[in-house]
Amino acid sequence: EVQLLESGGGLVQPGGSLRLSCAASGFTFSSYAMIWVRQAPGKGLEWVSGISASGGSTYYADSVKGRFTISRDNSKNTLYLQMNSLRAEDTAVYYCAKDRKPRSADLSGSDIWGQGTMVTVSS
Amino acid sequence: QSALTQPRSVSGSPGQSVTISCTGASSDVGGYDYVSWYQQHPNKAPKLMIYDVRERPSGVPDRFSGSKSGNTASLTISGLQAEDEADYYCCSYAGSYTVIFGGGTKLTVL
Repeated sequence: EVQLLESGGGLVQPGGSLRLSCAASGFTFSSYAMIWVRQAPGKGLEWVSGISASGGSTYYADSVKGRFTISRDNSKNTLYLQMNSLRAEDTAVYYCAKDRKPRSADLSGSDIWGQGTMVTVSS
Repeated sequence: QSALTQPRSVSGSPGQSVTISCTGASSDVGGYDYVSWYQQHPNKAPKLMIYDVRERPSGVPDRFSGSKSGNTASLTISGLQAEDEADYYCCSYAGSYTVIFGGGTKLTVL
């Protein structure tokens, strides 16, 4: 079964750090670009970061640039999001998602999503 | 990186059709044929309903269709059913592994 499973969320104080993980199974992880998307309570979806299949190209939303780092370990079929200098406005459910096209330089649409992991930034 | 513009809500009766619009810019919706639509039920992960403007993933009913004209994309749901009640988000590729989502539209089936 094709699956993504996020972990690493929790409660953290403002200014703190968390590392989210997204374990992939059921498909050739190293062939697909991946993204992180978040959803604040009661709000819409917001793209956070994207990474190429090889991991050589990474991109960030302006709201997280300089604070978050996306990476992947294709040998472990795992995607990561290192989140530093966390703010209250980073409070959200964080989803990892897989692009549907293998070995593509573009993002065509995310056909597989994880169940999400909640990050709460509060003192 | 401004969100794409969607109506906040739409509604229709069972069996009717509804259309949700999604307006962006030439740098996103108008510049790429990589518009996708997602359905999200409460407390669930988004589900891909349309990709590449008008293509349906396997398993998505053909009641769902997509189109695009210029900087505006549209999702049409025909033959509305109760289970279609959900939030719908458009999404456009914007270059360099970047995507932009719409603000979301709440569909109510009356």
